[in-house]
Amino acid sequence: GQGVEQPDNLMSVEGTFARVNCTYSTSGFNGLSWYQQREGHAPVFLSYVVLDGLKDSGHFSTFLSRSNGYSYLLLTELQIKDSASYLCAVRGNSAGNKLTFGIGTRVLVRP
Amino acid sequence: NAGVIQTPRHKVTGKGQEATLWCEPISGHSAVFWYRQTIVQGLEFLTYFRNQAPIDDSGMPKERFSAQMPNQSHSTLKIQSTQPQDSAVYLCASSLDYLFSQNTLYFGAGTRLSVL
Repeated sequence: GQGVEQPDNLMSVEGTFARVNCTYSTSGFNGLSWYQQREGHAPVFLSYVVLDGLKDSGHFSTFLSRSNGYSYLLLTELQIKDSASYLCAVRGNSAGNKLTFGIGTRVLVRP
Repeated sequence: NAGVIQTPRHKVTGKGQEATLWCEPISGHSAVFWYRQTIVQGLEFLTYFRNQAPIDDSGMPKERFSAQMPNQSHSTLKIQSTQPQDSAVYLCASSLDYLFSQNTLYFGAGTRLSVL
């Protein structure tokens, strides 16, 4: 089966950075996505990775290591408005190829 | 483009009553998904359709949950004999072409179901 694990909470300071970790296990691997979800709102797509390494998208960067079943989302130059839940989602090769989400990491950015 | 539209935004039912949730996907998207979100379980996959055909309903509680997609412009999720443990936010999402896209799901705002 598929499993996606993330820490529940993460606190950081405005102007610094936050790294949200994600570990996963899947039957096959067809990519990993990150979504941002603000309180009371729907998840919004941030990033997709399928190859190993770091993908720099400016404010958000994502890293993937397929051999370790590990990814992280790096948020730099944090702003208060970055406070949200960040969801890791993995797609395997199982029937239907559905996206399996982690429970989400609630990031709190304080002044 | 109004995005994925879900109605109602909030629904309150009594235990044992039926609840029907509606979703209008983004026009032109071929895949439609239903997820359920709670604080304890997070986002749980329920079912998905591709080109209106049911592809995977492995997340659906079989006894009381059913989903349909009678046309490309809407899908429904029906819960019969609702129970308090069904209380959750039900999210619908659509995707342009699930097999070849980069897995981008566009979510609706969700329907918050409260079963008293």
